[in-house]
Amino acid sequence: NAGVTQTPKFQVLKTGQSMTLQCAQDMNHEYMSWYRQDPGMGLRLIHYSVGAGITDQGEVPNGYNVSRSTTEDFPLRLLSAAPSQTSVYFCASRLGQALAQETQYFGPGTRLLVL
Amino acid sequence: AQTVTQSQPEMSVQEAETVTLSCTYDTSENNYYLFWYKQPPSRQMILVIRQEAYKQQNATENRFSVNFQKAAKSFSLKISDSQLGDTAMYFCAFMSYSTDKLIFGTGTRLQVFP
Repeated sequence: NAGVTQTPKFQVLKTGQSMTLQCAQDMNHEYMSWYRQDPGMGLRLIHYSVGAGITDQGEVPNGYNVSRSTTEDFPLRLLSAAPSQTSVYFCASRLGQALAQETQYFGPGTRLLVL
Repeated sequence: AQTVTQSQPEMSVQEAETVTLSCTYDTSENNYYLFWYKQPPSRQMILVIRQEAYKQQNATENRFSVNFQKAAKSFSLKISDSQLGDTAMYFCAFMSYSTDKLIFGTGTRLQVFP
């Protein structure tokens, strides 16, 4: 069991470039989500998915797109990178929405620098 | 809106001593979960302890325990016999049954000194 994996670990982008942050889990978890972590602000929810084919917006969705074509993968797309998107991005998953399935497992993070 | 507040940006403790990290939250919900996550310099988010709001008994995990005061909306973390490896950022987090979204506080940086 690899758990939650994220690639790349670190990326530098120029303003206006697009890229996809990859996230995969091998635990057959239904629920997946993306967070960004900025100094002094904790982790904030960007987008989440409760199952394949279903996605929804979190607290800070602007500038990001997601899709969930399989249970395992939940990529995060930056459409046109901006310096304000410089952050550390975490992907997380959990078994489901039912009771006792609420514990989230986090990936190792992707550090993104937008110049 | 649900919010989580950690009022201690930084704390320090000597090895083997006990330290308590504070967390308060605001919600109108009655059914929810509370969590403490640890983030060491590696940046990995590690679940330390969790508490279901319907349980009156405080959760414990080895040297980690919580003081859950539902009426006061308070959820503090006590670390006993502090170890150097406890040095990390600690995040308090809240999730209600209805919104199903995890909301984090801004974190407390804990430094354990020898």
